[in-house]
Amino acid sequence: DIQMTQSPSSLSASVGDRVTITCRASQSISNYLNWYQQKPGKAPKLLIYTTSSLQSGVPSRFSGSGSGTDFTLTISSLQPEDFATYFCQQTYSTPTFGPGTKVDIK
Amino acid sequence: EVQLLESGGGLVQPGGSLRLSCAASGFTFSSYAMSWLRQAPRKGLEWVSTISGSGAGTYYADSVKGRFTISRDNSENTLYLQMSSLRAEDTALYYCAKRPTLSGFGDPFDVWGQGTMVTVSS
Repeated sequence: DIQMTQSPSSLSASVGDRVTITCRASQSISNYLNWYQQKPGKAPKLLIYTTSSLQSGVPSRFSGSGSGTDFTLTISSLQPEDFATYFCQQTYSTPTFGPGTKVDIK
Repeated sequence: EVQLLESGGGLVQPGGSLRLSCAASGFTFSSYAMSWLRQAPRKGLEWVSTISGSGAGTYYADSVKGRFTISRDNSENTLYLQMSSLRAEDTALYYCAKRPTLSGFGDPFDVWGQGTMVTVSS
């Protein structure tokens, strides 16, 4: 299976900050990379699919980029409702997820 | 509104069986592949199984192959996961999720249910 890693594992940020999360695949996955947001006690929510496509209803402050093995999720201006854990996931082959990045309040 | 509602979780002894259900509404169920995923307590997410929209194609993670069976009833808009020979490491919150195409290949999981908890313990 393709292994996914994320960095950092956690970060503290303030409302209004620009936040960037990195995801790396153990082999090339083309653009088959998705990002999810999960809040405590809730199911994951799809934010971005195929690297950079914004899921319907997701605010435009979320964006994704990358290709091959290296990808990023950027939140341009962090809002109070964005404090959550973010997972990357590849669907190039058997789906696998990164371990998550927890974004909390500084 | 697209909704997925899981049920059937509970406490089961090692070696036991359990069947999970996922009732779907708000979309044409038979037109989309469906999946089961799980999340062990304070752990990451793991894909478990996917079934195509027609039900003809089924796919499993190596960790559950031969023990779990995914199926669907398109007339009842319901997805199932039959779990047998359960182990302690199967303890997790089980989610059903929709994929945005008939086959599911290469697709994200675009709608998730709220999950049903399975605990395997003596």
